Amino acid sequence: ILNVEQSPQSLHVQEGDSTNFTCSFPSSNFYALHWYRWETAKSPEALFVMTLNGDEKKKGRISATLNTKEGYSYLYIKGSQPEDSATYLCAFENQGGKLIFGQGTELSVKP
Amino acid sequence: EAGVAQSPRYKIIEKRQSVAFWCNPISGHATLYWYQQILGQGPKLLIQFQNNGVVDDSQLPKDRFSAERLKGVDSTLKIQPAKLEDSAVYLCASTYGTGSYEQYFGPGTRLTVT
Repeated sequence: ILNVEQSPQSLHVQEGDSTNFTCSFPSSNFYALHWYRWETAKSPEALFVMTLNGDEKKKGRISATLNTKEGYSYLYIKGSQPEDSATYLCAFENQGGKLIFGQGTELSVKP
Repeated sequence: EAGVAQSPRYKIIEKRQSVAFWCNPISGHATLYWYQQILGQGPKLLIQFQNNGVVDDSQLPKDRFSAERLKGVDSTLKIQPAKLEDSAVYLCASTYGTGSYEQYFGPGTRLTVT
């Protein structure tokens, strides 16, 4: 059984703070690492799909890095805004195309 | 482009009752997934379809859960009979193919079994 672990489980920050979360995953049988944002009552939304060791991706104030050799990915949010409040999910995709999700990090940004 | 549609959005049933969920994927997406997300956990894959064939149903509790995608488009997931531990959000997702493609998710159906 593969474990995908995310930390912290929840995070409360003030507007304007920068923050980061961690996703750890098995380093074997790796194909891709996915990050999703899931706002309450909405559909999970894909942020990034990363496949190469050392990959860095950026979308606005959000960026992510990938280390496949040691099995971790970081998601960074610069200058958090209340609209960033959501659950951030990472998912490990194995060589067979199956996604295994972490339990998520719940972010709350207070104005 | 229309997103993945799911209905109903919310459902409350008593244990031992039956329930069915419906999903309409994005047009042209051959691969369809059903996930179960229990509170405090990540989504867990229940079943994956490629067109109208099952690719992976290894984590589907087949004594009570069933799913079909008869024409390779819409899909239904049924639970019969429901147990308290089936309370969860049931997410449907679709993708063009497999292998580092984004999965596009619907809004989910929140099921409460009392």
